[in-house]
Amino acid sequence: GEDVEQSLFLSVREGDSSVINCTYTDSSSTYLYWYKQEPGAGLQLLTYIFSNMDMKQDQRLTVLLNKKDKHLSLRIADTQTGDSAIYFCAERDDNQGGKLIFGQGTELSVKP
Amino acid sequence: DAGVTQSPTHLIKTRGQQVTLRCSPISGHKSVSWYQQVLGQGPQFIFQYYEKEERGRGNFPDRFSARQFPNYSSELNVNALLLGDSALYLCASSLDRGNEQFFGPGTRLTVL
Repeated sequence: GEDVEQSLFLSVREGDSSVINCTYTDSSSTYLYWYKQEPGAGLQLLTYIFSNMDMKQDQRLTVLLNKKDKHLSLRIADTQTGDSAIYFCAERDDNQGGKLIFGQGTELSVKP
Repeated sequence: DAGVTQSPTHLIKTRGQQVTLRCSPISGHKSVSWYQQVLGQGPQFIFQYYEKEERGRGNFPDRFSARQFPNYSSELNVNALLLGDSALYLCASSLDRGNEQFFGPGTRLTVL
């Protein structure tokens, strides 16, 4: 079945690194995504990784993919209070027109 | 360039009524997807349209329908509203059934 799982909460201090973890079930997923949602807003695409990659870095963001364990992580370096939001992991289901299957979201709280 | 736009921003309806939500994709994008996000959860896929044809449907009842117009904008229609239909309805657009889906700000539907 389809299932994407994330831990619900993460609290860090400003300036520390944050690591948000995700596990997924569909080994045939070609793309995996990280989205950010601020209160009352839509989803902002942060980054994505193709399934044949192990790592992708984009400024303060680093995505690690362990395809064997179906584990995806997002590391945010030098976390700022403006990074406080809910972060969603999603996998793409190519068998259904490319629909995205989302996790429940991880609420990141950054304390000054 | 404008991002994905959705209207209305907020909507209040009563049980049994019908509602139509609208979405305009990013210019040049031909695919539109609809998602429902209930409070505290990740978005759930409802429909995907590409070149005016339905390419994917999620596990939603027949009360939910959608269409895509020649200019690639889209409408989501929900009949016989239930209290459980209260949610944030998100529209996402992509170039084709491509790897990047960009979300609009959503329409907040409240059913009383």
